[in-house]
Amino acid sequence: NAGVTQTPKFRILKIGQSMTLQCAQDMNHNYMYWYRQDPGMGLKLIYYSVGAGITDKGEVPNGYNVSRSTTEDFPLRLELAAPSQTSVYFCASILAGRNTGELFFGEGSRLTVL
Amino acid sequence: EDKVVQSPLSLVVHEGDTVTLNCSYEVTNFRSLLWYKQEKKAPTFLFMLTSSGIEKKSGRLSSILDKKELFSILNITATQTGDSAIYLCAVDTGANSKLTFGKGITLSVRP
Repeated sequence: NAGVTQTPKFRILKIGQSMTLQCAQDMNHNYMYWYRQDPGMGLKLIYYSVGAGITDKGEVPNGYNVSRSTTEDFPLRLELAAPSQTSVYFCASILAGRNTGELFFGEGSRLTVL
Repeated sequence: EDKVVQSPLSLVVHEGDTVTLNCSYEVTNFRSLLWYKQEKKAPTFLFMLTSSGIEKKSGRLSSILDKKELFSILNITATQTGDSAIYLCAVDTGANSKLTFGKGITLSVRP
């Protein structure tokens, strides 16, 4: 079982460039999330989705967009990269109604914007 | 605004010491409190707590929740260098299982 797979693992972008962070899960989870983690700041929710075709903003959505056309995939798009978006990005998923509280995380994507 | 506050933010101990990590919260809706351990990559799940006063235990790690005083502690006894990590506390406010995380506690265990 692959779990939650994120690509790429590392990326360097120039200011103003665009890119998409890919996230796929093979556990048939309906809820998926994108978090960013800055040093000493914990994880902050960017966007989330409760099912295909449904997305909603989290705490820090500015500068990002998402889509959820299938249950498996939840890509995160950065349109005009800024240095403030330098961070480690984690995708996570959970099956709604499963009462363990355990989010399954991808291994993270480290993005640097110069 | 929902808030989760962890303390201390960093801690250095020697192998064999016992440590207590703190997490307090102020949220509009509480469903559960979770502890995660993060080494080099993704956070890994440790405990989920929903009821006051019931200790969860796994080996040398244990955790308890106080819903009246709005806090939780994570205890690690007989620490080992492999316990060095960031420990994250998060609260599930029940709205689509979104978690609000604290800043994390960086624990360093020296040989």
